[in-house]
Amino acid sequence: QKEVEQNSGPLSVPEGAIASLNCTYSDRGSQSFFWYRQYSGKSPELIMSIYSNGDKEDGRFTAQLNKASQYVSLLIRDSQPSDSATYLCAVNTGGSQGNLIFGKGTKLSVKP
Amino acid sequence: DTAVSQTPKYLVTQMGNDKSIKCEQNLGHDTMYWYKQDSKKFLKIMFSYNNKELIINETVPNRFSPKSPDKAHLNLHINSLELGDSAVYFCASSQAVGRAFFGQGTRLTVV
Repeated sequence: QKEVEQNSGPLSVPEGAIASLNCTYSDRGSQSFFWYRQYSGKSPELIMSIYSNGDKEDGRFTAQLNKASQYVSLLIRDSQPSDSATYLCAVNTGGSQGNLIFGKGTKLSVKP
Repeated sequence: DTAVSQTPKYLVTQMGNDKSIKCEQNLGHDTMYWYKQDSKKFLKIMFSYNNKELIINETVPNRFSPKSPDKAHLNLHINSLELGDSAVYFCASSQAVGRAFFGQGTRLTVV
């Protein structure tokens, strides 16, 4: 059974701090990795993707991938109350027509 | 103009009924999906279609039947609804695996 694990939280950080969200996956053959943000009552939206080991930065967001450790993380710098949402880690386990498996999400709360 | 739209947004129905949820995307994507998000917010794929052809069919009861009349539409029909079917159902589309655009969701409540 291919699994994606996340700490459900809630993770609470003060405004302006760095929020660190973590995700581990079980299938060593996984090829691509994604972070989605879901506000309460809304649909998930893609915020980051990462395909190779290392860091990928986009504005205040940095995705980190370590395939040897089967670990993906998302860092949010200068956290804002508007970042308060559930963050879903998703892993593609099967190539071009693969299956996207989601973790259960980590709820982030940024306190003003 | 909404990229992925699904109707209805809310659906309340009695056990045993049959219902359908419709989904349309105007992004020109080849692949469409149905996901189920349960009360614990766990998002799980149900079906995936590529160019009207079923490519992923996860273990869901055969009371759930997807239909794709063309690559812009993917509908979900559910027979003999049960209490455990209550959830939010999301339609999504993508051109590359993982880069999905989701509809606004259909909150199904079975009473």
